[in-house]
Amino acid sequence: EDQVTQSPEALRLQEGESSSLNCSYTVSGLRGLFWYRQDPGKGPEFLFTLYSAGEEKEKERLKATLTKKESFLHITAPKPEDSATYLCAVQAGVRWGKLQFGAGTQVVVTP
Amino acid sequence: GAVVSQHPSWVICKSGTSVKIECRSLDFQATTMFWYRQFPKQSLMLMATSNEGSKATYEQGVEKDKFLINHASLTLSTLTVTSAHPEDSSFYICSAPGAFQETQYFGPGTRLLVL
Repeated sequence: EDQVTQSPEALRLQEGESSSLNCSYTVSGLRGLFWYRQDPGKGPEFLFTLYSAGEEKEKERLKATLTKKESFLHITAPKPEDSATYLCAVQAGVRWGKLQFGAGTQVVVTP
Repeated sequence: GAVVSQHPSWVICKSGTSVKIECRSLDFQATTMFWYRQFPKQSLMLMATSNEGSKATYEQGVEKDKFLINHASLTLSTLTVTSAHPEDSSFYICSAPGAFQETQYFGPGTRLLVL
């Protein structure tokens, strides 16, 4: 059975304190791994799509990497506005669109 | 990026009534849209896939007679929660694939509270 596990569940950082979030997955036939940011009471906001091991993508203070078993979301010198829940999702198999989400990592960045 | 809207953003209804939620792709066409449900402190769970011009595909355990989905056009899908009960109270979110299938773009969500 496909599984997506995110760790840690919650992360409290001081402004400027870099850290990494982990998303480990067990799926058959990975087609894509997605990172989203979700603010309270809002829908997920797309950040990155990764397709193959070794791939990296960056956006401002965020950098996502992918291996054959896990993905990392690195937050460099975070600011309070980076506070959110970060969701990892995978799409596997032949059925486009069925995303399986991890439970998310809640990040709080304090000034 | 692509924009997906939902209406209403929140709704309160009495137990036994039906509630309709709209999901629109604003600047692109979507032959497929997806409906998710999210309970507090939990992640998103796919409920069903909405297909323009054909029947929706429901995930295991989701009652198709309770959650009616209609994909009326290439930019509009609706989810109707029929005979809503308090346990249906949740955050309902729709999504649509990007033009190049690069990801799914999510709407802002609809908060449903059934009293």
